Amino acid sequence: KAGVTQTPRYLIKTRGQQVTLSCSPISGHRSVSWYQQTPGQGLQFLFEYFSETQRNKGNFPGRFSGRQFSNSRSEMNVSTLELGDSALYLCASSLVGGRGTEAFFGQGTRLTVV
Amino acid sequence: AQSVSQHNHHVILSEAASLELGCNYSYGGTVNLFWYVQYPGQHLQLLLKYFSGDPLVKGIKGFEAEFIKSKFSFNLRKPSVQWSDTAEYFCAVITGANNLFFGTGTRLTVIP
Repeated sequence: KAGVTQTPRYLIKTRGQQVTLSCSPISGHRSVSWYQQTPGQGLQFLFEYFSETQRNKGNFPGRFSGRQFSNSRSEMNVSTLELGDSALYLCASSLVGGRGTEAFFGQGTRLTVV
Repeated sequence: AQSVSQHNHHVILSEAASLELGCNYSYGGTVNLFWYVQYPGQHLQLLLKYFSGDPLVKGIKGFEAEFIKSKFSFNLRKPSVQWSDTAEYFCAVITGANNLFFGTGTRLTVIP
């Protein structure tokens, strides 16, 4: 079956702009999580959506937001971009999320803010 | 707050050497534990996972990990590494908060 698909793969934006990233989970998966990966910081949890509701949220400013649609696809939005937002953004999907389930990752969207 | 520590940031080994990567977590309740691998230019892949039962878990590509509850550890091992094991390795845990917490990763370089 198809894996987790993230689009676009690469993005270059300038400071102050906003950006929207997309994630299509594995068919049947209802939980989608987003992570920011930077060198030295590893993967930091942004938020998790389940059945169109944000179920968990990490410690990121309000400029980072997301949503999930009825078909479980998810989008992540970052407004007023800063240079420090440059990172690889990863999406993971799982059947229902939480303990006892396995998360599958997409290839990520590489965001560069100049 | 929950946290995951990977103390080795970069490990360099020769082919056929044995590997052990450390992972410690801080959480007193029930946990699920994972090791993920990220090969250069590829997405994160699951190496192995522990949910319950036998604390010695075997994964893909000859990797194994042992859950030691008293030490809050889940170290990754492989008896003989290959050049193709060069990658970044991430330990992760799901706790009562129900989302994955990752360590900062360990970069493994295997020299042929």
